[in-house]
Amino acid sequence: NAGVTQTPKFQVLKTGQSMTLQCAQDMNHNSMYWYRQDPGMGLRLIYYSASEGTTDKGEVPNGYNVSRLNKREFSLRLESAAPSQTSVYFCASNYRGYEQYFGPGTRLTVT
Amino acid sequence: RKEVEQDPGPFNVPEGATVAFNCTYSNSASQSFFWYRQDCRKEPKLLMSVYSSGNEDGRFTAQLNRASQYISLLIRDSKLSDSATYLCVVNPPWDYGGSQGNLIFGKGTKLSVKP
Repeated sequence: NAGVTQTPKFQVLKTGQSMTLQCAQDMNHNSMYWYRQDPGMGLRLIYYSASEGTTDKGEVPNGYNVSRLNKREFSLRLESAAPSQTSVYFCASNYRGYEQYFGPGTRLTVT
Repeated sequence: RKEVEQDPGPFNVPEGATVAFNCTYSNSASQSFFWYRQDCRKEPKLLMSVYSSGNEDGRFTAQLNRASQYISLLIRDSKLSDSATYLCVVNPPWDYGGSQGNLIFGKGTKLSVKP
């Protein structure tokens, strides 16, 4: 039982490049989330998916797109990376209870 | 007013000390409350839920005061391994995303326990 997994762990992009961050959970959770964490800003919700087939914007969705591929997988895409998107990205999931389980994070640097 | 506010610290305490963290939240209709712990360069993990009557888990005690919209965490007999950032977390009302399990995170309070 791996919990929540994320790939890649680290990534360096040049401004304007695109990439997709992958997230998968094996806990049969309905809801999945993408956060970014920046120094002094705390965790901020980018997008979430309350169930397979639905996605909704969070607090900071601009510059990102998401896909809930199936119940297990929720990906985050940066179409044209900007230096302001340098951050640590966490994926999380939960069931109807409120404890969210987090993946280990992806450290992204955009130069 | 920010939705969840915490003193960022850092709190630097000696081993064995008692330390308390406080947190306030802005939406009086918030439903559930938690403390998460985040170690340096790691993901957040649930430390404990916070119940209206207060609850204790070993050296950790959490309290909720709904009238004052205030949550606290008390750590007794601090250990070196308690060094981490402690996040105050609130589940908002149903119509603010709470029904979908959304959580609002405070920015965290950093604790450093010294020998």
